[in-house]
Amino acid sequence: KAGVTQTPRYLIKTRGQQVTLSCSPISGHRSVSWYQQTPGQGLQFLFEYFSETQRNKGNFPGRFSGRQFSNSRSEMNVSTLELGDSALYLCASSLEGLEQFFGPGTRLTVL
Amino acid sequence: AQSVTQPDIHITVSEGASLELRCNYSYGATPYLFWYVQSPGQGLQLLLKYFSGDTLVQGIKGFEAEFKRSQSSFNLRKPSVHWSDAAEYFCAVVTSGTYKYIFGTGTRLKVLA
Repeated sequence: KAGVTQTPRYLIKTRGQQVTLSCSPISGHRSVSWYQQTPGQGLQFLFEYFSETQRNKGNFPGRFSGRQFSNSRSEMNVSTLELGDSALYLCASSLEGLEQFFGPGTRLTVL
Repeated sequence: AQSVTQPDIHITVSEGASLELRCNYSYGATPYLFWYVQSPGQGLQLLLKYFSGDTLVQGIKGFEAEFKRSQSSFNLRKPSVHWSDAAEYFCAVVTSGTYKYIFGTGTRLKVLA
């Protein structure tokens, strides 16, 4: 069974731009969660989607948004990028939301 | 609010030595507990999990963890460390009904040859 895939693996953007990250979950998984990982803040939960609905949300500003499609693939969008948004963005998929399997991440650098 | 504490930021052990990584959580009821490992530049790999039942759980790569309700702890152990175990280890808690992971700050393990 293929694992969680994330595209692209690396991104370089400049301040003020927007970015869209993509996550394809394990086949059959309906839950997709997104996390931001930085050296200073560690792993922080962004949001979780289940069957195309946002089920949980972390404490991030509205510039961070996401969506999930009917095939369970998910996208995360960050608008008006700031230097502090530079991070590894991890996606995790799960059957129901409890046991999560992580993708390799997208490394976003904001210049 | 729920929280997870991993008191050791860095741990160095010699290859072949035993290992214990500490994890304490703050939550009123019994949460779901996980240990993940992350190699540099990679995502997280699930080592083991505790939902209920036997408090000693076995995971992959020879790891085990013990849930101690009285101490609110879920420490990770391995009897003999291999050089390939060098990585960062994260303890995580999920409170029932939320599916929202709360991660500890991680423990970076260095293994000396």
